[in-house]
Amino acid sequence: GESVGLHLPTLSVQEGDNSIINCAYSNSASDYFIWYKQESGKGPQFIIDIRSNMDKRQGQRVTVLLNKTVKHLSLQIAATQPGDSAVYFCAENVPMNRDDKIIFGKGTRLHILP
Amino acid sequence: EADIYQTPRYLVIGTGKKITLECSQTMGHDKMYWYQQDPGMELHLIHYSYGVNSTEKGDLSSESTVSRIRTEHFPLTLESARPSHTSQYLCASSEFPGLYEQFFGPGTRLTVL
Repeated sequence: GESVGLHLPTLSVQEGDNSIINCAYSNSASDYFIWYKQESGKGPQFIIDIRSNMDKRQGQRVTVLLNKTVKHLSLQIAATQPGDSAVYFCAENVPMNRDDKIIFGKGTRLHILP
Repeated sequence: EADIYQTPRYLVIGTGKKITLECSQTMGHDKMYWYQQDPGMELHLIHYSYGVNSTEKGDLSSESTVSRIRTEHFPLTLESARPSHTSQYLCASSEFPGLYEQFFGPGTRLTVL
């Protein structure tokens, strides 16, 4: 959702457990949502996307859930692995008159505990 | 691995220097973006472009400028660098129009002394 403040939430998960990362987005008109993964020293990488006419989409080990009623997006990672350690960003696409606007969330840092 | 490149990866310069951060993509994408990001923190859009000869200012005010003379190339220039410009700069591209993800470069970590 809209970025306010500078606090970056952190989530610590035991290796092998499932991770759930949450995101509250800002605009009820948003029609497309993306989750990105950013590893240290790298640019964000696309993980999975979902359009507003869906409420669930599954990829390999990842699932995105969309709840438009409460403007909430979540990313579920199954059987979390050390390589999943990263900062995860959600992004929403807000339709505008001339062009769409992409808004990135604040990000969540995922720590994998051995 | 996305075909979008940024150079240099790291740059340390003194105050007042003019610098250009390079960004190139080989995907033929029309839309390109520049973001400023403090390490691990949120992304702030500073410039974007719809295609050749198109440049737009983003949400975060920036003293930098951009140009788009070729589709694949979207350089960012700081005429006179200051310590407040110290940050990570991320370039991205996407197809346009339509609903598409952005492909990000590896970033340039800029330090101004």
